[in-house]
Amino acid sequence: EAQVTQNPRYLITVTGKKLTVTCSQNMNHEYMSWYRQDPGLGLRQIYYSMNVEVTDKGDVPEGYKVSRKEKRNFPLILESPSPNQTSLYFCASSPGGGRNQPQHFGDGTRLSIL
Amino acid sequence: AQTVTQSQPEMSVQEAETVTLSCTYDTSESDYYLFWYKQPPSRQMILVIRQEAYKQQNATENRFSVNFQKAAKSFSLKISDSQLGDAAMYFCAYRSPFFNAGNNRKLIWGLGTSLAVNP
Repeated sequence: EAQVTQNPRYLITVTGKKLTVTCSQNMNHEYMSWYRQDPGLGLRQIYYSMNVEVTDKGDVPEGYKVSRKEKRNFPLILESPSPNQTSLYFCASSPGGGRNQPQHFGDGTRLSIL
Repeated sequence: AQTVTQSQPEMSVQEAETVTLSCTYDTSESDYYLFWYKQPPSRQMILVIRQEAYKQQNATENRFSVNFQKAAKSFSLKISDSQLGDAAMYFCAYRSPFFNAGNNRKLIWGLGTSLAVNP
């Protein structure tokens, strides 16, 4: 089954404790992206990647890191989480070419930073 | 910069009836893509329907259809024969052609419309 898998689905942690949210897709997609969803602000892009070893900042990259060492994986790293990073996070992927390839989303990760 | 506006924070519909959700957007681009996504209480983000700006024909997917008015920059979603399972948050989203966006396929989102379906 074609899917984007995020882990964990839920995480409660404390300020400053490094954490990683994993994202893996099995569709051989070149493009991957991270969004955060906040009430009243909607979904905003954090980082994106066009292909292996190619990543770039989205609209709200501060406090986050990503890596793309393999095509299927695109982890989101919070080196020193803070309460303002409490949010619902989505990973998405799509093929690199084509005119209108829709993005496939993971099921979301609810992060709570205390 | 492009923006997407959903002017109806909440809507309700009776089961089996038809409801229309509104979406307007602002852009100076002539070619772009529009999407409606559904987010049920499970929080998954599910693609409902998509439209390419260069296509004049309105997209249809089973009970879901759009009214795409390019000149008015309007992209409304019509849900026919509403079902209890249609209750969800609905998001309208815009995407530029990748060659206009530095290869970024970023979706620009509205704030959503919460749809309740009454039995």
